[in-house]
Amino acid sequence: SAVISQKPSRDICQRGTSLTIQCQVDSQVTMMFWYRQQPGQSLTLIATANQGSEATYESGFVIDKFPISRPNLTFSTLTVSNMSPEDSSIYLCSVTGGESYEQYFGPGTRLTVT
Amino acid sequence: RKEVEQDPGPFNVPEGATVAFNCTYSNSASQSFFWYRQDCRKEPKLLMSVYSSGNEDGRFTAQLNRASQYISLLIRDSKLSDSATYLCVVTLGAGTALIFGKGTTLSVSS
Repeated sequence: SAVISQKPSRDICQRGTSLTIQCQVDSQVTMMFWYRQQPGQSLTLIATANQGSEATYESGFVIDKFPISRPNLTFSTLTVSNMSPEDSSIYLCSVTGGESYEQYFGPGTRLTVT
Repeated sequence: RKEVEQDPGPFNVPEGATVAFNCTYSNSASQSFFWYRQDCRKEPKLLMSVYSSGNEDGRFTAQLNRASQYISLLIRDSKLSDSATYLCVVTLGAGTALIFGKGTTLSVSS
């Protein structure tokens, strides 16, 4: 499986500000995904990020709030914009490559909005 | 109806016990099935894929019943290190999103 890193690992931010989370993979991967895990909940997909095209967002998530970049096959960023306390969550990126159905996750970014 | 439903838990068992987790999924078009393990404050990690013929990995056995849209995970001879949340996961195909159940928490005590 790929080795995935995320930065920052955690942050405490004030409401109204924005935070950009980076996801770096040690190999080229076709598809990257961004998930959110709110306290006490399971994971929910935010969007799918493919290199060279616009990200595809799930219902309830919009590009203005969660802009995503995917400049190459090993890197992606997720920005949480105009944050509110409800955005306090763990944000995780995951990858799958080729024909694989399995996904592997980065260590997550723990965000607290005050 | 939730897409993936799991036993609510928590399961509290002694070391050496056998424990079984159940999961149902609502979308009959689901193609792949997994069990992930998530330790406290960590990312989910793939435990095993689940196949229609059933599959075993050491103390862990997973089964899939497509007709009933039912998935199970059996853990034999539980260890303290098995304590975690177990997530039932389905996907509609390669490169599509994983759909997670809410997870079942297992606590193994000595």
